[in-house]
Amino acid sequence: EAGVAQSPRYKIIEKRQSVAFWCNPISGHATLYWYQQILGQGPKLLIQFQNNGVVDDSQLPKDRFSAERLKGVDSTLKIQPAKLEDSAVYLCASSSSFPNEQFFGPGTRLTVL
Amino acid sequence: TQLLEQSPQFLSIQEGENLTVYCNSSSVFSSLQWYRQEPGEGPVLLVTVVTGGEVKKLKRLTFQFGDARKDSSLHITAAQPGDTGLYLCAAYSNYQLIWGAGTKLIIKP
Repeated sequence: EAGVAQSPRYKIIEKRQSVAFWCNPISGHATLYWYQQILGQGPKLLIQFQNNGVVDDSQLPKDRFSAERLKGVDSTLKIQPAKLEDSAVYLCASSSSFPNEQFFGPGTRLTVL
Repeated sequence: TQLLEQSPQFLSIQEGENLTVYCNSSSVFSSLQWYRQEPGEGPVLLVTVVTGGEVKKLKRLTFQFGDARKDSSLHITAAQPGDTGLYLCAAYSNYQLIWGAGTKLIIKP
């Protein structure tokens, strides 16, 4: 069974630029999560989808971050404009349903210069 | 804010030694999870402990949930280089998984 796929694996941008990350969850998983993991910290939930609906986006900085999960499968996370403090690894995870075990992708390492 | 505090932050030991890392909170949790994260990868679930006082073993790894369900420990016996990684504890709070900052473990051959 294929795991959670994410792309790109690495991205370097300058502040005020835009960036987008893509996630393909495990087939059939209804719940999809985006986390931000800053170096030296544990992951922090940004947004949780159940199928194509948002369940929790309380920690998403909505002035610059947006996410969508069209058709309840793939998801994209966008940052516009990026700030220096957005430098982090962005992890996507999926689970068959909430709160079943979450399976994580390898993450996208973002560096904002 | 409910926090999970992990200690130590960093541990470097020789192959064959034993070690224990801790995850503490002032809050009571219905369950607690332990993950291992290797460089360039996402966290992988190792175990979930549910009952106060519960002990679970995974080969050379022993996980214990505190009697009051506020803390947990992970003990590794005869550590091997393959145990190297970031060990994270996590627990559900208000339907959201909250995480400790992790213990970075390096096992030297």
